[in-house]
Order: sequence, then C-alpha cells, then structure tokens
Amino acid sequence: DTEVTQTPKHLVMGMTNKKSLKCEQHMGHRAMYWYKQKAKKPPELMFVYSYEKLSINESVPSRFSPECPNSSLLNLHLHALQPEDSALYLCASSQQSMISTDTQYFGPGTRLTVL
Amino acid sequence: GDSVTQMEGPVTLSEEAFLTINCTYTATGYPSLFWYVQYPGEGLQLLLKATKADDKGSNKGFEATYRKETTSFHLEKGSVQVSDSAVYFCALSANNAGNMLTFGGGTRLMVKP
Repeated sequence: DTEVTQTPKHLVMGMTNKKSLKCEQHMGHRAMYWYKQKAKKPPELMFVYSYEKLSINESVPSRFSPECPNSSLLNLHLHALQPEDSALYLCASSQQSMISTDTQYFGPGTRLTVL
Repeated sequence: GDSVTQMEGPVTLSEEAFLTINCTYTATGYPSLFWYVQYPGEGLQLLLKATKADDKGSNKGFEATYRKETTSFHLEKGSVQVSDSAVYFCALSANNAGNMLTFGGGTRLMVKP
C-alpha cells in the first residue's frame, strides 16, 4: 500500500482564521514533506521532516507552521493567511530523506482558498 | 544548480497516437530520475523511475530510459488513450541532496477521441 491521505480535500478560510491541514501515512516512512502547488506550476517544497524532526524549511513565512506529532502524521497549521496563499497543498512521504533513489509518494492534496 | 527542462505543452494527440515528452536535466553526479503524472484535481502519482544510467523505467505502457550521454529521460507510450490526459512532470533527485526533488515545469497532454 502506497497511500498518503490528506484532509480536508477543500478548505475555504478568511484571512483572520486559524485552520489546520492533516496528512497521514502508514507505510513506515520516516520522511514527510509539505509542498505548495500553484495552478499550472510544479510543486514547490515548503518543509521536510526526517524522523519527526524538522530538517528543511524553505524560507516559508511563519503564518505556516508545520508539526509532526508522530511518525505517521504531519500537520500544517495556518494562521493569518493571504489570498496569494491560495493553492493546492500536497503532502508526500518517503522511506528516508537522504537517499536519492527513494520515491516520494504524494497525497491527493488540499485545495485551499483564502478569501 | 540542478535543473530539469521539459517540452512545453499542451501536447494534443488523437487516441492511439504515439507519445513522446522530452525531458533533459542538468545535475552533478548520478541523479535518480522520475516521471510523475497529475490527473485533474488530484495529487502527483509516480509513473516510473530510473536510478542509474541505461535503466529503463516502465509502467502502464509508458517507458523512459536514463541516458547519461545525452542527459535525457524522455517519456514514451506507443498508443495513448483519452484517460492518459493529464500533466506529466519529470523530476530528479541528486545524490548530493538527499532525495529532494527538482521538477521540470510540467507538460499537459490532451488526448482526443
């Protein structure tokens, strides 16, 4: 099974709201990722967690706050977002984060709209 | 730095036509190469991969061969179907950067009945 699940599928929020995105995998992977994808563009890496510790933050604004409560779960907390943050947010996982031959498996994404 | 270049789309084909989507890369060392497919409204799915020179990845009738001499990983399929309509991303992970993916810009394929 190579499934990564994400909830919710769609999210609409105002600029003053606080919301969270959830990602889950049960493949025993020790690396998990958040990506942001704008329309007609490739995904852009935001964060990498390796063994439940944040290993890469690609200069993401602090209004995005990741959290990895355990090896299967990854959250992205959202606060005071801007309309330009509207995008598809993708979660991915892989066996490790330091092996180039590893495959990243992606979830279906959360379509976020900020009003 | 590392980079991936794909042919710009959209590529429009009739059903049962032959498909080629070109992908070339620039990287130091020996990267692993991937093709991902994204259907409308969905996330990315791994289509195939190759981890060393001359390897051929294949899946669902799609094939791509890792050509180090031409730094290419072109995607091919002998007979496309309407259900193949999607965006295709070529990507690499360089062995000096863990498995951080560098993506090409994506190529939209539209197959008409």
